[in-house]
Amino acid sequence: ETGVTQTPRHLVMGMTNKKSLKCEQHLGHNAMYWYKQSAKKPLELMFVYSLEERVENNSVPSRFSPECPNSSHLFLHLHTLQPEDSALYLCASSQDLVAKNIQYFGAGTRLSVL
Amino acid sequence: QKEVEQDPGPLSVPEGAIVSLNCTYSNSAFQYFMWYRQYSRKGPELLMYTYSSGNKEDGRFTAQVDKSSKYISLFIRDSQPSDSATYLCAARAAGNKLTFGGGTRVLVKP
Repeated sequence: ETGVTQTPRHLVMGMTNKKSLKCEQHLGHNAMYWYKQSAKKPLELMFVYSLEERVENNSVPSRFSPECPNSSHLFLHLHTLQPEDSALYLCASSQDLVAKNIQYFGAGTRLSVL
Repeated sequence: QKEVEQDPGPLSVPEGAIVSLNCTYSNSAFQYFMWYRQYSRKGPELLMYTYSSGNKEDGRFTAQVDKSSKYISLFIRDSQPSDSATYLCAARAAGNKLTFGGGTRVLVKP
């Protein structure tokens, strides 16, 4: 266990559904991240939060909406997704945004959009 | 051009062989280099971490960074079936995001 817990592990949703992914870190870190991992593609950074403030949004469609209520929890709210959004969604955390700090990943949520 | 390039494999080796993995990168500002290992249905876990050029050894694992040629390597000695996984290289410059390669799938056959 890395100290980063993601739920659910698997999610199947229709294109009109609304669902949320949850991430919790038990490491006392101040920065949290959402990544998308598609087959045969590099990890894509989606959102970065530092001390509960969003500091980066990498041109992610508005059907993905992040929320960081405190430094230990991060959510990704999903609505009206497309089949091409099917992927592994990974949460990570680090002590802060300093480049030398290591990012620790959760096990991910495997999302299938039908 | 991708910032970090990595052969997707799969790379198949017999148990006990040396596994050699490589990445190339284009951003000369990268200073921090990492190798993550990702098992099926798991998240990436940090394997090796290197700052700037040089070698780093940890047990059966050796990481090398050659900034002059923008080349990152990972060697696994005495490979075991439990080393079968996808290996991701990653690099980062100060103030920038962590950039990953696409990963190389490794299969160590008993």
